[in-house]
Amino acid sequence: EVKLVESGGGLLKPGGSLKLSCVASGFTFSNYWMHWVRQAPGKGLEWIGEIEYDGTETNYAPSIKDRFTISRDNAKNTLYLQMSSVRSEDTATYFCTEGFFAYWGQGTLVTVSS
Amino acid sequence: DVVLTQTPVSLLISLGGQASISCRSSQSLVHSNGNTYLHWYLQKPGQSPQLLIYQVSNRFSGIPDRFSGSGSGTDFTLKISRVEPEDLGVYYCLQRTHNRTFGGGTKLELK
Repeated sequence: EVKLVESGGGLLKPGGSLKLSCVASGFTFSNYWMHWVRQAPGKGLEWIGEIEYDGTETNYAPSIKDRFTISRDNAKNTLYLQMSSVRSEDTATYFCTEGFFAYWGQGTLVTVSS
Repeated sequence: DVVLTQTPVSLLISLGGQASISCRSSQSLVHSNGNTYLHWYLQKPGQSPQLLIYQVSNRFSGIPDRFSGSGSGTDFTLKISRVEPEDLGVYYCLQRTHNRTFGGGTKLELK
């Protein structure tokens, strides 16, 4: 069974940093691109970035480029999202999903507020 | 960047009725490899999105045949026949032909 479990969300102040994790199981993690998608409260889905199989290539949405960094550790079957210089508009539930967007985690909530 | 426009924004349907949702793209979603990467999702309240249809018209594992997808190029449609209570929620289209973009969503509610 494919399982994706996000963690690391919480409350932080504007300008702060936070690192989210997503642990994958039930599939060969190193064979898949991985993505992060977020959803602000009461709003729609926004793709924010992706990482290639071995981490050598990443692509980001303009809204988070140069502030967020996606990485992965294939030995630990774990995907990461390093968030920095956060703003109130980054408040959202952050989901990880595998390369074909077929399987999603339950999400982790990040709240940015002073 | 590709923009996906979903209509309607909300839809009131009676149980057992049929729903139709449109997703229009600002440019063709035919990839250079000939495939069209347009998918449909349902997000129920408090849950993650679940994949219903991939590549325009292919039902994902376990999805009943009440759900069907069609379209080509820039115009795509999701049809839900014989609507059941568990079909309620917000439907999204996603394109992954040119980068990745979600539509704005269509909320399906009971009349």
